[in-house]
Amino acid sequence: AQSVTQLGSHVSVSEGALVLLRCNYSSSVPPYLFWYVQYPNQGLQLLLKYTTGATLVKGINGFEAEFKKSETSFHLTKPSAHMSDAAEYFCAVSGANTGNQFYFGTGTSLTVIP
Amino acid sequence: SQTIHQWPATLVQPVGSPLSLECTVEGTSNPNLYWYRQAAGRGLQLLFYSVGIGQISSEVPQNLSASRPQDRQFILSSKKLLLSDSGFYLCAWSVIPLALGTQYFGPGTRLLVL
Repeated sequence: AQSVTQLGSHVSVSEGALVLLRCNYSSSVPPYLFWYVQYPNQGLQLLLKYTTGATLVKGINGFEAEFKKSETSFHLTKPSAHMSDAAEYFCAVSGANTGNQFYFGTGTSLTVIP
Repeated sequence: SQTIHQWPATLVQPVGSPLSLECTVEGTSNPNLYWYRQAAGRGLQLLFYSVGIGQISSEVPQNLSASRPQDRQFILSSKKLLLSDSGFYLCAWSVIPLALGTQYFGPGTRLLVL
């Protein structure tokens, strides 16, 4: 079965500092990987995804993530945090061996300190 | 373009009362449809998914049920709500095949059972 681990349920960064949100997955088959963002009382919005090709994926709002197969990781980064980045972030995995399902991590709440 | 609607946005119900949450998708045909629940401070729990009209798969035993009476309509129901049913309910859709697609989420319904 697939699983997704997000290290750190809460992350705080200063405005302008680097944002690093960690995601590791377990899969015997290279999966498809996603990062979603959720603002308070809203649904989830896709930030970026990796399916095939270039392992460094750029998304919206200046975020990017790198698929590292050897580390089974898909960490999300942003060079400079903005106050508007404060939200809940979810990593997810799907793939050929997950049927019709996505598997989500438990989420990381990002706080940006002015 | 595709859009997904959920209603109501907020719902307060007494324990033991029935529930009906509706989700509709516009701008696509034969989508996969999903119901998730997000409890306070927790990740996403997949409740049901559907690959077609009348086809429902349940992931977690509970007092909830789902139905898909039309191609782009997905309904979440309960005959008698429990306190533990409180949470944020999210509907999502994706194209087939899932493994190449992305899940798109609705705005969510906040349910409080008292």
